[in-house]
Amino acid sequence: EDQVTQSPEALRLQEGESSSLNCSYTVSGLRGLFWYRQDPGKGPEFLFTLYSAGEEKEKERLKATLTKKESFLHITAPKPEDSATYLCAVQAVYGQNFVFGPGTRLSVLP
Amino acid sequence: ETGVTQSPTHLIKTRGQQVTLRCSSQSGHNTVSWYQQALGQGPQFIFQYYREEENGRGNFPPRFSGLQFPNYSSELNVNALELDDSALYLCASSPGTSGTETYEQYFGPGTRLTVT
Repeated sequence: EDQVTQSPEALRLQEGESSSLNCSYTVSGLRGLFWYRQDPGKGPEFLFTLYSAGEEKEKERLKATLTKKESFLHITAPKPEDSATYLCAVQAVYGQNFVFGPGTRLSVLP
Repeated sequence: ETGVTQSPTHLIKTRGQQVTLRCSSQSGHNTVSWYQQALGQGPQFIFQYYREEENGRGNFPPRFSGLQFPNYSSELNVNALELDDSALYLCASSPGTSGTETYEQYFGPGTRLTVT
């Protein structure tokens, strides 16, 4: 069964304090790994897709990396507006659905 | 801008009732997926439709059913509502096919369903 776990469950950072979020996954053949940002009461907003180990993608203060067992979302010099829940999801080769992790709730304090 | 819309925004129903939630996908997106998200958890896959046919289903009972229409709109129907059905219901559209390609899913804002 495909599974996704995320750590930490919650993270509080000071503005400018860089850190990383972890997504560990178990899947029988990875088709793609996805990162989303979700603000309270809203739908998830797409950030990145990663397809194979070693791949990296960047967007503003965010950088996503992928290995064969986990993905990291690195946040460099975060700002209060980066506060949100960050969700990781995987899609298996044989399946159509996304399997989501529980998310990491990030708070960036000014 | 994703272009995915959902209605209604909020809904309150009584246990045992039936509910229909609606989604309008982004134009050109032939695939729509529905998810249930309980408070503090990640979205759970309910089912997916591709060109008006169901082509994937998660661990949800048959009282959860859906429809997809040619005009990029879709519905999620839930019969015999239970208290545990209270959640945020999300639809997501993508240009993906039922093949081996991978496409991002773009989510709507969700419908918050409360069952009392």
